[in-house]
Amino acid sequence: QVQLVESGGGVVQPGGSLRLSCAGSGFPFNNYAMHWVRQAPGKGLEWVAVISYDGGNKYYADSVKGRFTISRDPSKNTLSLQMNSLRTEDTGVYYCARDVVVSSYLDYWGQGTLVTVSS
Amino acid sequence: QSVLTQPPSVSAAPGQKVTVSCFGSSSNIGNNFVSWYQQLPGTAPKLLIYDNNKRPSGIPDRFSGSKSGTSATLGITGLQTGDEADYYCGTWDSSLSVVVFGGGTKLTVL
Repeated sequence: QVQLVESGGGVVQPGGSLRLSCAGSGFPFNNYAMHWVRQAPGKGLEWVAVISYDGGNKYYADSVKGRFTISRDPSKNTLSLQMNSLRTEDTGVYYCARDVVVSSYLDYWGQGTLVTVSS
Repeated sequence: QSVLTQPPSVSAAPGQKVTVSCFGSSSNIGNNFVSWYQQLPGTAPKLLIYDNNKRPSGIPDRFSGSKSGTSATLGITGLQTGDEADYYCGTWDSSLSVVVFGGGTKLTVL
């Protein structure tokens, strides 16, 4: 069965960095685009970034552009999100999710990992 | 402020029907497929409807989706207390090259 497992969340000070990972299993990981979506406490879903199946195309939300970098390691079936210059408003649960293509629909989601940016 | 507009909340009695609207523009809903997600309390979102009106395997036919122009609608019939959740619409925005979500609609089954 399809499984997506996020890790790497934690508490970090404003201005700091954190790297999230998402391990995929139960499906041909390298055939699918992958997204990061976040949710601030008590708020709605906010899309963060997407990477195409081959890593050749990447798109970002304006709120994270220039600070976050999405990448994937095909040899490890892993998706990553490098987050730099973190702000308090980056606090939330970060989900990875699978997509058929970059602009389709998110058919499987991980359980999420909590990122807290606080001094 | 979300790019897609949803009502903050809807409610109905068990067994009844409810609809959730999602309004966008020509750059998103008007020219792309819409998907809907259900988020039960304390859990990750789950795909409910894709390509405007298709249901993934395992989603009961009580859930339906439609699209007309720059708006989309999620319908739920035979409401159950277990349907109480937040519902989000989503699509691709071709002008911005980003995924956009609605602000979410909280369903209460009275």
